[in-house]
Amino acid sequence: GAGVSQSPSNKVTEKGKDVELRCDPISGHTALYWYRQSLGQGLEFLIYFQGNSAPDKSGLPSDRFSAERTGGSVSTLTIQRTQQEDSAVYLCASSLARLNEQFFGPGTRLTVL
Amino acid sequence: GESVGLHLPTLSVQEGDNSIINCAYSNSASDYFIWYKQESGKGPQFIIDIRSNMDKRQGQRVTVLLNKTVKHLSLQIAATQPGDSAVYFCAENIGAGNMLTFGGGTRLMVKP
Repeated sequence: GAGVSQSPSNKVTEKGKDVELRCDPISGHTALYWYRQSLGQGLEFLIYFQGNSAPDKSGLPSDRFSAERTGGSVSTLTIQRTQQEDSAVYLCASSLARLNEQFFGPGTRLTVL
Repeated sequence: GESVGLHLPTLSVQEGDNSIINCAYSNSASDYFIWYKQESGKGPQFIIDIRSNMDKRQGQRVTVLLNKTVKHLSLQIAATQPGDSAVYFCAENIGAGNMLTFGGGTRLMVKP
């Protein structure tokens, strides 16, 4: 069956540009998470969507980061005015409900030059 | 997603031996814990979870032990196989929060 997919798999951008990262969760999963994984560090929670509730944005590192989830399915993570420290692998996960088993996508590797 | 990089603690075991990967957590309010496996170039894969009202849970070839007294979590892998080679992360959730806090990871290397 189809798992969580993310696109693009790799993104190279110049400092100051905006980027959009896409996540397609598993069909029927109401919970969607974004994480960031930097080299030498573990996973860092960014944002959480649950159904039609307001998202939990407590992990977003700055106001340059935003995310939306349209129709309770696809999610887009947007980083404005990218900085070199934004370089990381951005991972999306979905689950049937909060704190159920989370299924991760393969990630998007972002490199900011 | 690529495995976290250069300075991970590493556990090296012989194929067929049992492996024990340890994780310490700091918040006594944490009530849900998960172990993930991450192979190179892939996203993390759920292995097993445990809630704080339990102290042991078993899966296929894996056992998670939770010691709330000393805030310690361990993952035991029986009869370790080369395919078990990966980075293993523990993660915890605190109360009603949605955030999972991940540990730094342990690299497991299985020698044939």
